[in-house]
Amino acid sequence: GAVVSQHPSWVICKSGTSVKIECRSLDFQATTMFWYRQFPKQSLMLMATSNEGSKATYEQGVEKDKFLINHASLTLSTLTVTSAHPEDSSFYICSARHPRGGSYNSPLHFGNGTRLTVT
Amino acid sequence: GNSVTQMEGPVTLSEEAFLTINCTYTATGYPSLFWYVQYPGEGLQLLLKATKADDKGSNKGFEATYRKETTSFHLEKGSVQVSDSAVYFCALSKDTGTASKLTFGTGTRLQVTL
Repeated sequence: GAVVSQHPSWVICKSGTSVKIECRSLDFQATTMFWYRQFPKQSLMLMATSNEGSKATYEQGVEKDKFLINHASLTLSTLTVTSAHPEDSSFYICSARHPRGGSYNSPLHFGNGTRLTVT
Repeated sequence: GNSVTQMEGPVTLSEEAFLTINCTYTATGYPSLFWYVQYPGEGLQLLLKATKADDKGSNKGFEATYRKETTSFHLEKGSVQVSDSAVYFCALSKDTGTASKLTFGTGTRLQVTL
């Protein structure tokens, strides 16, 4: 079945540095990918919609200059957390919808998530 | 706007017990409804879905019926196993164009003990 791969699965970085997280659709092309953030014991918060070849669409309250999203190809979207701070520590998850079916009643396929810890 | 309300957890059950996790939604029109499961340290996996009223989604012994009259999509399983311990998310998707988004409930943690 469709697979979404996310890398790295966990990362520890120092405050002030930047971290890049990759999301790849392994066996399908995804014109749209989604980035979520999950706080401990809470639901997923949609951060932004990543559109291949164009700018990402950010949800209200999400800093676009801090969370840089690049969707350079149909199989790869990246999220870069710039100048990370301890409050950015979280579980980040990407997802994509398989184009076959390709409508709102098709399920999203999720990556396994990236746990970011900023020290 | 769209919203999903789930029962708060954690839910703790003994193995072979009956499971119900309540989910209700608010949306105009006819959304699609999903249950996702998240095992520790992993991303979300689709468990089951239903796309229209009275549809029943089922998978791995879990099932949920799309009830438009009560705007509900409760998750049930007749006999849970320890391996079912996870966080379960109810979600809806409404056609808003090419980038239709999922709206999630807050998740319900299930802990199954021997």
